[in-house]
Amino acid sequence: DGGITQSPKYLFRKEGQNVTLSCEQNLNHDAMYWYRQDPGQGLRLIYYSQIVNDFQKGDIAEGYSVSREKKESFPLTVTSAQKNPTAFYLCASSTGGQGARSEQFFGPGTRLTVL
Amino acid sequence: AQKITQTQPGMFVQEKEAVTLDCTYDTSDPSYGLFWYKQPSSGEMIFLIYQGSYDQQNATEGRYSLNFQKARKSANLVISASQLGDSAMYFCAMSHSFTGNQFYFGTGTSLTVIP
Repeated sequence: DGGITQSPKYLFRKEGQNVTLSCEQNLNHDAMYWYRQDPGQGLRLIYYSQIVNDFQKGDIAEGYSVSREKKESFPLTVTSAQKNPTAFYLCASSTGGQGARSEQFFGPGTRLTVL
Repeated sequence: AQKITQTQPGMFVQEKEAVTLDCTYDTSDPSYGLFWYKQPSSGEMIFLIYQGSYDQQNATEGRYSLNFQKARKSANLVISASQLGDSAMYFCAMSHSFTGNQFYFGTGTSLTVIP
């Protein structure tokens, strides 16, 4: 079945450590996205990539980094510079391209807790 | 700036009744798309329905319909014959042609279906 996988589902990190969240898709989508969700809040865009080897900052990129070396993979690193990293992280993908009609498909999410 | 507003933090509906979840948006782009997603307690985001700014008819998908009032910049989600499994968070989102597939999400509405 085609879809998006994120691992791990739950992640615990000590303060001051970097941690990398995995996101893989087999939908052959060009575009991929990372969102952060805090309790009772909507989704905020961290980074997005519309093509391999290219990515752009979203609204809250500070303290995060990404890479897009392969079409199917878009890992997110939460660095020690991120002041409040405890949150639910969602990865999404879409067919990309111009035009407004392209729903995003989401992975199951990773819940990160900083101890 | 693009903005999505969902003014109902929480809603209750009796099982088998219909419910309307409100969404208003703000954009100066004539070409845009409006999406509704459902987020159960498991955290995954499930795509429900799409409405394009140039679509003449209101979108419908099974028990979901979108009441699109372009002049009022509103895109309310109507769920008919509510079921217990409809209890979840619901998010309205918007994309624009000039931003490719970058989404802007509202803060969500928590729907509880009462048996």
